[in-house]
Amino acid sequence: ETGVTQSPTHLIKTRGQQVTLRCSSQSGHNTVSWYQQALGQGPQFIFQYYREEENGRGNFPPRFSGLQFPNYSSELNVNALELDDSALYLCASSLARGLAAIDTSTDTQYFGPGTRLTVL
Amino acid sequence: AQRVTQPEKLLSVFKGAPVELKCNYSYSGSPELFWYVQYSRQRLQLLLRHISRESIKGFTADLNKGETSFHLKKPFAQEEDSAMYYCALSGAMGAQKLVFGQGTRLTINP
Repeated sequence: ETGVTQSPTHLIKTRGQQVTLRCSSQSGHNTVSWYQQALGQGPQFIFQYYREEENGRGNFPPRFSGLQFPNYSSELNVNALELDDSALYLCASSLARGLAAIDTSTDTQYFGPGTRLTVL
Repeated sequence: AQRVTQPEKLLSVFKGAPVELKCNYSYSGSPELFWYVQYSRQRLQLLLRHISRESIKGFTADLNKGETSFHLKKPFAQEEDSAMYYCALSGAMGAQKLVFGQGTRLTINP
């Protein structure tokens, strides 16, 4: 069983640029969630994708967007980077049977190691 | 609004002493509560969830709806328990969309 992987490990961008972060889900998982973790803070939910459709979004502006592909890998895109976007970006994959059901046996989220983004 | 508060950023106890990491939440419905742990140089991982009522690595947590708390406890701390601990809640947005607290760094002294 392959765990969640993310790329790149870290990167540096300048204000106003655009960035794409990638996540490969754990084998068999159909749901991916993205989180932003600022220094000294807990992760903050950005959005979630379930079977290639956005399934909920946190309090983040539209310049944060995502994709989920048929193989359930995912991308997080951030446009017009701001200094406050500097953070660790985490993705987490899980297996969900449905949008509303709470499946305690299968909906554990497995986190990737994160991508450290620095905006100068 | 959903909110998770971990009042202690840092907690230091001696090996063999009891440990309690505090977590309070704010949510008007029936939440699901979790504890996640991050050991040094490792990724964030689930420690336990209230719905399963398990004891993992000697840790337990009881959901107290009256006090809106979900404190994590262990009767005898071990050095390998040193880590960052996050309390998290899922509620209105669904079981897999987590609201995290800011975390507590637990250090177990020998």
